[in-house]
Amino acid sequence: DTAVSQTPKYLVTQMGNDKSIKCEQNLGHDTMYWYKQDSKKFLKIMFSYNNKELIINETVPNRFSPKSPDKAHLNLHINSLELGDSAVYFCASSQGAGGSIVSEQFFGPGTRLTVL
Amino acid sequence: GQQVMQIPQYQHVQEGEDFTTYCNSSTTLSNIQWYKQRPGGHPVFLIQLVKSGEVKKQKRLTFQFGEAIKNSSLHITATQTTDVGTYFCAVDNTNAGKSTFGDGTTLTVKP
Repeated sequence: DTAVSQTPKYLVTQMGNDKSIKCEQNLGHDTMYWYKQDSKKFLKIMFSYNNKELIINETVPNRFSPKSPDKAHLNLHINSLELGDSAVYFCASSQGAGGSIVSEQFFGPGTRLTVL
Repeated sequence: GQQVMQIPQYQHVQEGEDFTTYCNSSTTLSNIQWYKQRPGGHPVFLIQLVKSGEVKKQKRLTFQFGEAIKNSSLHITATQTTDVGTYFCAVDNTNAGKSTFGDGTTLTVKP
């Protein structure tokens, strides 16, 4: 069984479109994250949710809106896609609550987004 | 904010040679984690260090946390082609549930 899964694996779309990426974890973890990895492989945190509550929101354009319907799911919706949004987006999860030391993070397989 | 520098950015070695990557923070750390990302893959957790001067080993990999808890190293003895990938450190000095990843060191191993 896959611990952290993401769909879709690949996403190719035109500038200006709106798209969503879904993430699910079956580890029973309290905390989930979205990371963006650019072409230079730099890995930057975007958002963190703990028990469906937003606890970290880095300086991400408000075109990006995460949604956590329950603690096993964290989806990412992106409006008005731009060329610079092209990257690999990783979902991750970990045990533990916000305000504590981050424990081992389990990453999903990634979603490669290409904006044309 | 938290700054973490990882060096070198790239390392090319002949199979059998040793490899070391370093992670340096501008502030003291509560813990540090190391991850490995194979080409085309996702980051996979290797280890977490929490104590000053801590040294942990996993087969040919040796992880060390500096005495001043501001830096760490990952050393691979006698590299193999299966070691190729990008090694990231991730630091947390805020206890606020946020890890900052280093820029990674990409290792290539020539057979």
